[in-house]
Amino acid sequence: DIQLTQSPSFLSASVGDRVTITCRASQGIVSYLAWYQQKPGKAPELLIYAASTLESGVPSRFSGSASGTEFTLTISSLQPEDFATYYCQQIHTFPLTFGGGTKIEIK
Amino acid sequence: QVQLVQSGADVKKPGASVNISCKTSGYAFNNYALHWVRQAPGERLEWMGWINPGSANTKYSEKLQGRVTITRDRSESTSYMELSSLTSEDTSIYFCARGVPNLGDAFDIWGQGTVVTVSS
Repeated sequence: DIQLTQSPSFLSASVGDRVTITCRASQGIVSYLAWYQQKPGKAPELLIYAASTLESGVPSRFSGSASGTEFTLTISSLQPEDFATYYCQQIHTFPLTFGGGTKIEIK
Repeated sequence: QVQLVQSGADVKKPGASVNISCKTSGYAFNNYALHWVRQAPGERLEWMGWINPGSANTKYSEKLQGRVTITRDRSESTSYMELSSLTSEDTSIYFCARGVPNLGDAFDIWGQGTVVTVSS
């Protein structure tokens, strides 16, 4: 199975901060990577697909990039509604797998 | 609008089976994959399997192979996920999600989740 290692697993930040989350794949997945945001008690919501393409309706402060097997999600200016848990997902090889999550909390 | 609506919460005893439905609306049911994902308390998301609603072809996680069955009813635009031989480790929130080829097969719409508790 392809392992996805997310870092950090926990992040304390303030409104307006620039935040970067990293997701490292254990083998090549080309650009078959998505990022989701999940709030407590809710289903995940798609933010980014194909490593760097913003899903329709998602604010432009979210962006994704890729370099080899390392993928990053950046929030350029953290807003109050962005405090949540973020997951990466590889969609290259079955079984599909998710990262361990990054929880962003208010400093 | 596009919606996935799941059946309600359930409590099961160890050894029992659970069957969860995912009713879709607002799009062509046959044209998009339906995946099932679960999340145990405090754990990461775990992919369970998927179905091609058009052909009924399925693929399952090897970890759950033999215990999970995903089906669909085209007349109802609904998918079903049955998990058998339940243990306490199956206590989770279960989600269905639509996979979209144009989005690199990412999951763009999710059901609201179904809480399944396994307890004696």
